[in-house]
Amino acid sequence: EAQVTQNPRYLITVTGKKLTVTCSQNMNHEYMSWYRQDPGLGLRQIYYSMNVEVTDKGDVPEGYKVSRKEKRNFPLILESPSPNQTSLYFCASRGVQPTGANVLTFGAGSRLTVL
Amino acid sequence: KNEVEQSPQNLTAQEGEFITINCSYSVGISALHWLQQHPGGGIVSLFMLSSGKKKHGRLIATINIQEKHSSLHITASHPRDSAVYICAVMEYGNKLVFGAGTILRVKS
Repeated sequence: EAQVTQNPRYLITVTGKKLTVTCSQNMNHEYMSWYRQDPGLGLRQIYYSMNVEVTDKGDVPEGYKVSRKEKRNFPLILESPSPNQTSLYFCASRGVQPTGANVLTFGAGSRLTVL
Repeated sequence: KNEVEQSPQNLTAQEGEFITINCSYSVGISALHWLQQHPGGGIVSLFMLSSGKKKHGRLIATINIQEKHSSLHITASHPRDSAVYICAVMEYGNKLVFGAGTILRVKS
């Protein structure tokens, strides 16, 4: 099944403890991206990647790092999490399906709480 | 002013009604996405448009590039259509900017 897989789905951590949220897709998509969703602020893009070793900042990149060493994986790294990074995070990939349709596929989301 | 404006913010409809959600944007774009998010959080992409009109089942999406406007229509609405519908524009350079979403409730 074509999908984007994020882990962990739920995480409670403490301020300053480095964490990584993994994202993997099995559709050979070139484009991958990370978003956070907060009440009243909606979805905002953190980082995106057009291909391996190519990453760009979105609207809210502060406090986050990403890497794209392989096409299928796009981990989100919080080097020193702070409470204002408590949020619901989504990873997504985009590419052309066998049908010819260009689709954006989201992971199930990762709910992160930083105490 | 937000780059992407959606209206209405909230919409309640009776089952069977025809529904329209609007999206206006202020920047040049390469494509526009309509997304659906059900309670519980999962996000599904409904359409990606760069011109014209697309139809999938009871859903129709249109875009007018010159007017910087898109609409999502739901025909013969059903309670299972209750969700948040989000418009997102792909700027040149591939940055994605989201509207605030429209909360739709369809009553039986």
